[in-house]
Amino acid sequence: EAGVTQSPTHLIKTRGQQVTLRCSPISGHTSVYWYQQALGLGLQFLLWYDEGEERNRGNFPPRFSGRQFPNYSSELNVNALELEDSALYLCASSPLPEGRRETQYFGPGTRLLVL
Amino acid sequence: AQSVSQHNHHVILSEAASLELGCNYSYGGTVNLFWYVQYPGQHLQLLLKYFSGDPLVKGIKGFEAEFIKSKFSFNLRKPSVQWSDTAEYFCAVIPNYGGSQGNLIFGKGTKLSVKP
Repeated sequence: EAGVTQSPTHLIKTRGQQVTLRCSPISGHTSVYWYQQALGLGLQFLLWYDEGEERNRGNFPPRFSGRQFPNYSSELNVNALELEDSALYLCASSPLPEGRRETQYFGPGTRLLVL
Repeated sequence: AQSVSQHNHHVILSEAASLELGCNYSYGGTVNLFWYVQYPGQHLQLLLKYFSGDPLVKGIKGFEAEFIKSKFSFNLRKPSVQWSDTAEYFCAVIPNYGGSQGNLIFGKGTKLSVKP
């Protein structure tokens, strides 16, 4: 069974630019989660999508946004990049929650460097 | 806000030593608990999880964790570590509100270095 895939693996952008990161969940999984792993800050929750809808959002500014497509793949968009956006962006997927017993499976991440 | 604390930032052990990594969370209600591991150059992998039932949970690669509700803790243990256990370990929680919040709340991670 293929795992969660993310593209691109690495990205270099300059301040003020915009970036789009992509994620394909495990087949059969309907929920997609985005996390940011920045140096010194640990793993922080960004966004959760399920069945095409945004279900929850972490404590990030509105320039972080995303969407989920009918095939359950997802995009994360970051506008007006700032230096502190440099981080590893992780996508995770989970199957339809059963009594809230979700297990999230992670992809390899996209490493973003903002210069 | 809910939080997860991992007490040790970096643990260095020799092979065959026993391991215990501490994890405490701040939410007072029902929780789902997880330990993930990130080996060098690899992505986050699930080690073990607790939803309900027996508070002693066994995971992959000989790891186990014990949920102690009264202490809000979910410590990870392994009786004898190997060099291949060198990795970063993350404790994570999903609080069970009326509906599922969905997102994992992670601790800051503990780096484990095992000397051969």
